[in-house]
Amino acid sequence: KAGVTQTPRYLIKTRGQQVTLSCSPISGHRSVSWYQQTPGQGLQFLFEYFSETQRNKGNFPGRFSGRQFSNSRSEMNVSTLELGDSALYLCASSLDQTLGTEAFFGQGTRLTVV
Amino acid sequence: DAKTTQPNSMESNEEEPVHLPCNHSTISGTDYIHWYRQLPSQGPEYVIHGLTSNVNNRMASLAIAEDRKSSTLILHRATLRDAAVYYCILIRSSNTGKLIFGQGTTLQVKP
Repeated sequence: KAGVTQTPRYLIKTRGQQVTLSCSPISGHRSVSWYQQTPGQGLQFLFEYFSETQRNKGNFPGRFSGRQFSNSRSEMNVSTLELGDSALYLCASSLDQTLGTEAFFGQGTRLTVV
Repeated sequence: DAKTTQPNSMESNEEEPVHLPCNHSTISGTDYIHWYRQLPSQGPEYVIHGLTSNVNNRMASLAIAEDRKSSTLILHRATLRDAAVYYCILIRSSNTGKLIFGQGTTLQVKP
């Protein structure tokens, strides 16, 4: 069974540009969450989608957005990139939203903003 | 969001048991206790979870205090591959799908 796939693995963008990251969850999983990881702030929750609906959102500015498609694949978009957006962006998928469900993480996309 | 407190770092010798503590004094009755770990250069990996009773799986054991205000992740025989950052996370019904990671405990395993 294939794991969570994130593309691309590495990305370099210029300040002011926008970027779209992709996440393909494990087959059959309907919940997809996104996280940002930086050395200073650690792992921070961005948002979570379930059946194409955003169910939870973290404390990030509106420049960070996402969506989920009918096949559960998800994308996140960051507009007007800032140097501080350089981070590892991780996607996690889970079967559903029950409290006892484990989340499976991808390897992440390493974004560098220059 | 419910808060957890863990030691910043711990050391263990290979082949010995490791007990990783977590305090969660503000836990509510329906919060689940989850543990994840992150190996270097990888995404986090699920380890174990529980609600009230102690739990065992192939990776570890989870011991939950009777008042649920603390828990301990037990690795029965540490290996070098267990060197990672371990996160203790509470998940509540209003926030399913949302993992709030603290700083975690960095476990070093010495050969």
